[in-house]
Parts: sequence; structure tokens; C-alpha cells
Amino acid sequence: GQNIDQPTEMTATEGAIVQINCTYQTSGFNGLFWYQQHAGEAPTFLSYNVLDGLEEKGRFSSFLSRSKGYSYLLLKELQMKDSASYLCAVKDSNYQLIWGAGTKLIIKP
Amino acid sequence: DVKVTQSSRYLVKRTGEKVFLECVQDMDHENMFWYRQDPGLGLRLIYFSYDVKMKEKGDIPEGYSVSREKKERFSLILESASTNQTSMYLCASSFNSGANVLTFGAGSRLTVL
Repeated sequence: GQNIDQPTEMTATEGAIVQINCTYQTSGFNGLFWYQQHAGEAPTFLSYNVLDGLEEKGRFSSFLSRSKGYSYLLLKELQMKDSASYLCAVKDSNYQLIWGAGTKLIIKP
Repeated sequence: DVKVTQSSRYLVKRTGEKVFLECVQDMDHENMFWYRQDPGLGLRLIYFSYDVKMKEKGDIPEGYSVSREKKERFSLILESASTNQTSMYLCASSFNSGANVLTFGAGSRLTVL
């Protein structure tokens, strides 16, 4: 079966750095997405990786290793507004998205 | 600046009622999707559409149907609501090219009593 694993919840301190991991086993790979979802709101797109390596976008970076079936989202200089759930999703060989259950990130002052 | 609009944020229905969830996007996207989101689970695809009057079953289509009469509108229909359909329903849309990044609506929280 197809599976996306990510931690259920993480806690970090304002101003710090946090890494949210995502591992996947899917039938084929055509890209990996990270979305952010604040409580009660729509998920919004953060990043897309299709090749190995690190993609940096401001305070957020996303890393992919296809050989290891692994990605992480790195958030730097954490702010209270970063408290949200972070969803990892992989596009499989049929170009369908397989979603992880999401990681709830709690930021403490 | 609203791009994907779901007509109802909160609905409470009784078992057996017919329920319509409406979704409209203003970005001229070809693709539209209906997902449900439940605690502890990843988003699950109910139905999707790549074009007007076209629909494809997703992973959990049982108990649902959809309608896409116009490019901008994708409706989800629960013919006879059941308590196990209590959930958050998310509509999304995307272009049919490139990374197909999804733009989501704010969601419709349905409670079936």
C-alpha cells in the first residue's frame, strides 16, 4: 500500500528552528508538496520538490531525497504565526496525490 | 482576493437528507477536486474533474456524487446523508499543467445528526 508518515505533533520555541520530517512509500514518484493549514482555514501551498536537494524560500526550506523516500520542511526564525498544521503530499505514478495526516506545530513564546 | 469559494462554512443535516456542497473558483482552473478531512487521517479524495461535464471517482466515492456543469463550479452531493459523513469537506482547484498546485477553499464542516 501507499503510505506517508509524518509526526503528529511538534513543539518549538519562538525564534528557533524546527525540522518536520516526511517519509513516503508510494507507487512511483512525481513530486512532493508541503502545505500549511492554520486551524479552521484552507491549506495553502508552501513548496514543491521533484528533484533531490534543498529548495529555499525565505524562512522556509524543503529538502528531498528520492532514494530514501524522505523529505523535510525546515522553518527558521520561528514566529507565533507559524503555529499550524503542515501537510506532506506525494504525487504517485498515476499523478494522484497521497496525503500524510499532517504535523501540528505548536510555537511557544 | 477569494479564489475558491465554498458556499457553506457550517451545515447541520439530519440522516437521510440530501446535501449539496457548492464550490466556485475564479482562476479559470481546469481541475477541480473534493476532499474530506478527518482528524488523524490524510486528505482523502472523493471525486475530481478535469473538464466540464467530466468526473472521476477518487478513493472514497461511495455515498457521494458530483456535478460540473460549468468550468468554475463543482458541486458535491450527498444523496442520503449518514452520520459517518460528518466531516470537513475541502474543495480545491488547479491548472492542468506544471506542478498542479492546489488552491483550496476554506472548507465546509458538515454535521449529520
